Amino acid sequence: AQSVSQHNHHVILSEAASLELGCNYSYGGTVNLFWYVQYPGQHLQLLLKYFSGDPLVKGIKGFEAEFIKSKFSFNLRKPSVQWSDTAEYFCAIEGRSGGYQKVTFGIGTKLQVIP
Amino acid sequence: DAMVIQNPRYQVTQFGKPVTLSCSQTLNHNVMYWYQQKSSQAPKLLFHYYDKDFNNEADTPDNFQSRRPNTSFCFLDIRSPGLGDAAMYLCATSRVTSVGETQYFGPGTRLLVL
Repeated sequence: AQSVSQHNHHVILSEAASLELGCNYSYGGTVNLFWYVQYPGQHLQLLLKYFSGDPLVKGIKGFEAEFIKSKFSFNLRKPSVQWSDTAEYFCAIEGRSGGYQKVTFGIGTKLQVIP
Repeated sequence: DAMVIQNPRYQVTQFGKPVTLSCSQTLNHNVMYWYQQKSSQAPKLLFHYYDKDFNNEADTPDNFQSRRPNTSFCFLDIRSPGLGDAAMYLCATSRVTSVGETQYFGPGTRLLVL
């Protein structure tokens, strides 16, 4: 079985503050890793993903995430947040399950950026 | 140029009255998914189609059914909605490759059961 844990359910930051959202996963095999973002009133969008290669992944809007295999982590970072980053962020993993690729989502972290 | 379209965006139904939610895609992806998302919870996979092959999650209630008449369309049928089925229903698509897949989501249909 695979699972995803997001430690912070609600984060409030001031503009220009640095952001780090934690994500840990549990899976015994090879995984692909994702961060999705859901802006208010909009659908889930891919922020960035890791399949293989450089464990430091850069995504859209200045976000990046680092895959640390030894820690089973894939934390999301941004050096300076903006008000427009207010959204809900979901970490997800894709592992092999019963011959099908299955994606499991974390519970999400709501980020509120205060101007 | 919407890629994953869900209709309707909001659906109100009565307790026990069958309801169908629809999803269409313009991406020609071979996999389509239905998720249920309740407030402050992770999206929960209900089932998915890999081409025509249907895969039901073990804990998906029998009350939920799905149809995929062709590559572009997929339907979620709730035969007898209960109050606990009120949620956001998300459709997603992906194309499976040798290294993995990326899912593209529709805007969701919010279901309210009275």
